[in-house]
Amino acid sequence: DAGVTQSPTHLIKTRGQQVTLRCSPKSGHDTVSWYQQALGQGPQFIFQYYEEEERQRGNFPDRFSGHQFPNYSSELNVNALLLGDSALYLCASSSRRLAGGEKFFGPGTRLTVL
Amino acid sequence: QKEVEQDPGPLSVPEGAIVSLNCTYSNSAFQYFMWYRQYSRKGPELLMYTYSSGNKEDGRFTAQVDKSSKYISLFIRDSQPSDSATYLCAMRALRNDYKLSFGAGTTVTVRA
Repeated sequence: DAGVTQSPTHLIKTRGQQVTLRCSPKSGHDTVSWYQQALGQGPQFIFQYYEEEERQRGNFPDRFSGHQFPNYSSELNVNALLLGDSALYLCASSSRRLAGGEKFFGPGTRLTVL
Repeated sequence: QKEVEQDPGPLSVPEGAIVSLNCTYSNSAFQYFMWYRQYSRKGPELLMYTYSSGNKEDGRFTAQVDKSSKYISLFIRDSQPSDSATYLCAMRALRNDYKLSFGAGTTVTVRA
């Protein structure tokens, strides 16, 4: 059973560009959350998707947007990249049907903005 | 003031020692508490998951939650070099509240 997968592994962009990151949740999971983890910091919640809709959002600007597809996979889009967007972007999946709703994280996409 | 405070360390201990990690928090609504282990350049891995106050043991790991003090702990017994990682505490208020609030993480090195 594959766990949470993310692509690409690494990405280098320049300021002002746009980026799309992808996530496939663990089999049987229907909820996807995205987190940003700056170097030396804990992950910060960006938003959560369930039933193809954004259900919760953290304190991130509108430059950060997302999408969830019918197969539960998800994309994170970041527009007008800033140097401060350089971070590890983590996807976490869970299921509202399972007791506790524990989260399982993917390996992350490391984004570098030059 | 951050919602979740965690001493970033670093913490260095000899093999076989007990590792003690802790977090404090300010939001009294938090009910679900987790500890994650994160190896360098990897995603966090769920270690322990507890609900409300009390203790939970899983092999060499023990998690404690004291909601009255807003304080949680993780103990690692008989530590091994493979336990060298960053340990993150995380918490949330509701079962279906999928926003996790994380501490900054404590970096642990277990010396052989």
